Amino acid sequence: ETGVTQTPRHLVMGMTNKKSLKCEQHLGHNAMYWYKQSAKKPLELMFVYSLEERVENNSVPSRFSPECPNSSHLFLHLHTLQPEDSALYLCASSPSGEEGETQYFGPGTRLLVL
Amino acid sequence: AQSVTQLDSQVPVFEEAPVELRCNYSSSVSVYLFWYVQYPNQGLQLLLKYLSGSTLVESINGFEAEFNKSQTSFHLRKPSVHISDTAEYFCAVTPNTGFQKLVFGTGTRLLVSP
Repeated sequence: ETGVTQTPRHLVMGMTNKKSLKCEQHLGHNAMYWYKQSAKKPLELMFVYSLEERVENNSVPSRFSPECPNSSHLFLHLHTLQPEDSALYLCASSPSGEEGETQYFGPGTRLLVL
Repeated sequence: AQSVTQLDSQVPVFEEAPVELRCNYSSSVSVYLFWYVQYPNQGLQLLLKYLSGSTLVESINGFEAEFNKSQTSFHLRKPSVHISDTAEYFCAVTPNTGFQKLVFGTGTRLLVSP
């Protein structure tokens, strides 16, 4: 596979469930990002990793827990979510995280919390 | 902090007509500017970006955007649109120093009809 892949593409979970979103990039990049895309709202940057170290955490509730075991993989662990967490979660990567770089996005995981 | 305003949530246009999608930003520091496009059921893709140099930047599929520092704008234009240009367009900025932290607008949905 090429580019940035995300699994699953769709996820329905109850508020008491625990699930994980997976992102994998095949571009040799060293920076990875999680975004939340809700209807009528701007994309929200949630987490940024550079060389497996978290460099940004944008006041995200602790029910979202990221993990970056290596520069190719990024996970978002979910637990005790709320219905307002329903959204499209996008993963992206870039070569090193420098200001002018292009970010490459995956297709997203559409999450529905019941 | 930065913010991005895309006043038009939706722009309907006929095929082969010109279009302009507006983007204004606010920032206390110098920024780099981006336009990303999202086709249905896909992640975002870079359309074009302004980093420095000529204030007019072009994409490979006929779009162009002009950075206007005095008006803090980065409007996107195309002289003749195609049906295939139907998508959502996002304007984004990041400070031009430090780690990249994109701040997005709410997006403009371009609807091209025959």
